[in-house]
Amino acid sequence: GENVEQHPSTLSVQEGDSAVIKCTYSDSASNYFPWYKQELGKGPQLIIDIRSNVGEKKDQRIAVTLNKTAKHFSLHITETQPEDSAVYFCAASSGNTPLVFGKGTRLSVIA
Amino acid sequence: GAVVSQHPSRVICKSGTSVKIECRSLDFQATTMFWYRQFPKQSLMLMATSNEGSKATYEQGVEKDKFLINHASLTLSTLTVTSAHPEDSSFYICSAPGLAGGGADTQYFGPGTRLTVL
Repeated sequence: GENVEQHPSTLSVQEGDSAVIKCTYSDSASNYFPWYKQELGKGPQLIIDIRSNVGEKKDQRIAVTLNKTAKHFSLHITETQPEDSAVYFCAASSGNTPLVFGKGTRLSVIA
Repeated sequence: GAVVSQHPSRVICKSGTSVKIECRSLDFQATTMFWYRQFPKQSLMLMATSNEGSKATYEQGVEKDKFLINHASLTLSTLTVTSAHPEDSSFYICSAPGLAGGGADTQYFGPGTRLTVL
């Protein structure tokens, strides 16, 4: 089955700097790669996703890149703000199969 | 975007009692819903896939007789934790794939239910 590895587990950045979180996946059949932000005591919130027919997608300060050959995808947050502090999860799936999540990255943005 | 609700948001119960958690898709229909469990500082672990009108599919190691799932309509799935014990204390989260705002595989998560078993 699918296995998703996520790094780093914790990340601290200064406000205004960029943050990058990386994930790798094992199943070449996976074609959908979402990123979720989870704040303490809340459910995960979808922030951006990418499908295998696209190499990069951007939404304001957030971007995701996908390298199908290397089976890795990354989340880029620019101009970080304190409210970006949360746990971020990457995930992978193929079609309607359940998502397989990475272990999460705790991002701290220091003002 | 699509909205998924859960009720209750928080429940505290005594050991041995049963607890029912509801998951609703508010503005779209979901023939499939997923139930996850999340322990503190850990990732989400899939427990089961809830299928409208048919039996749920459980992940390996998840007791189907302990975690009863009923998907009676296209907008409601329920998870009942039977004879709860302290080790069942966790954050339970449901999700539903929906076409609203994304593809058929885009999953929207509920706000979660914090279960504490004393």
